[in-house]
Amino acid sequence: AQSVTQLDSHVSVSEGTPVLLRCNYSSSYSPSLFWYVQHPNKGLQLLLKYTSAATLVKGINGFEAEFKKSETSFHLTKPSAHMSDAAEYFCVVRGITGGGNKLTFGTGTQLKVEL
Amino acid sequence: SQTIHQWPATLVQPVGSPLSLECTVEGTSNPNLYWYRQAAGRGLQLLFYSVGIGQISSEVPQNLSASRPQDRQFILSSKKLLLSDSGFYLCAWGRTSGGSDTQYFGPGTRLTVL
Repeated sequence: AQSVTQLDSHVSVSEGTPVLLRCNYSSSYSPSLFWYVQHPNKGLQLLLKYTSAATLVKGINGFEAEFKKSETSFHLTKPSAHMSDAAEYFCVVRGITGGGNKLTFGTGTQLKVEL
Repeated sequence: SQTIHQWPATLVQPVGSPLSLECTVEGTSNPNLYWYRQAAGRGLQLLFYSVGIGQISSEVPQNLSASRPQDRQFILSSKKLLLSDSGFYLCAWGRTSGGSDTQYFGPGTRLTVL
C-alpha cells in the first residue's frame, strides 16, 4: 500500500521569500507522485507530476519538486512566494486498484502568504 | 480541450432527505471517473470510481451510492442523508490508456446536511 505524509499542516511565509512544503511518501514500487493546489471552495488543480523521468519536476506558477528516493521525499518549492499562492496544497501518490488509478492524498498543507 | 462540470455548486439538505449530485465530462471518451469527499480540515477520501458505463467500485462502505448511466456522466446519490455526509464532494476524471495517470478535478459541490 502507498501513503504520503505532509509534515506541516500550516506554513506561513512573507511575500517574496522562498516556499518549502514537505512531503514524504511510502510505496512498495516506483511511485507516481503529484502536487495539487486547492484555493478556497474550489476544485483541485494539478501543479506538477513525477513519473520516474527527471527527478526535478517543474510545474505551473513557478513551483517545482524534487524526487529523492533515498529520503523518500517529494518536497514542493518555489523561490519567491506571491500572495496568490495562498491556498491548500496536497501531496498525492498513485496506486492501482482494479483497473482504476487510485490516488492517496496527504492531509494537506495550508500556505499563508503575508505582506 | 477537456472540461469537467459539477452541479449544484452548493447544497443544503435536511437529515433524511435524498441526494443527487451530478458530474459530466466533455472533450474525452471512456474516461475513468471518480468521486471524492473532503471533510472539513481533512484530506480527500476516494468514495467511488468507475472504469466504464455501469461499472462502479466502492472504496468505503457508506450511506452513498454512485451510478454511471452514460460514458461521461457520473452521479452520486443517497436515499437518506446523514449529518456525517456533510462535506465538499469532488468529481475527477482520468485517462484509461496511454500510461497517463493524472486525474483532473471538477469545481466541487459543498454539501451541508442540517
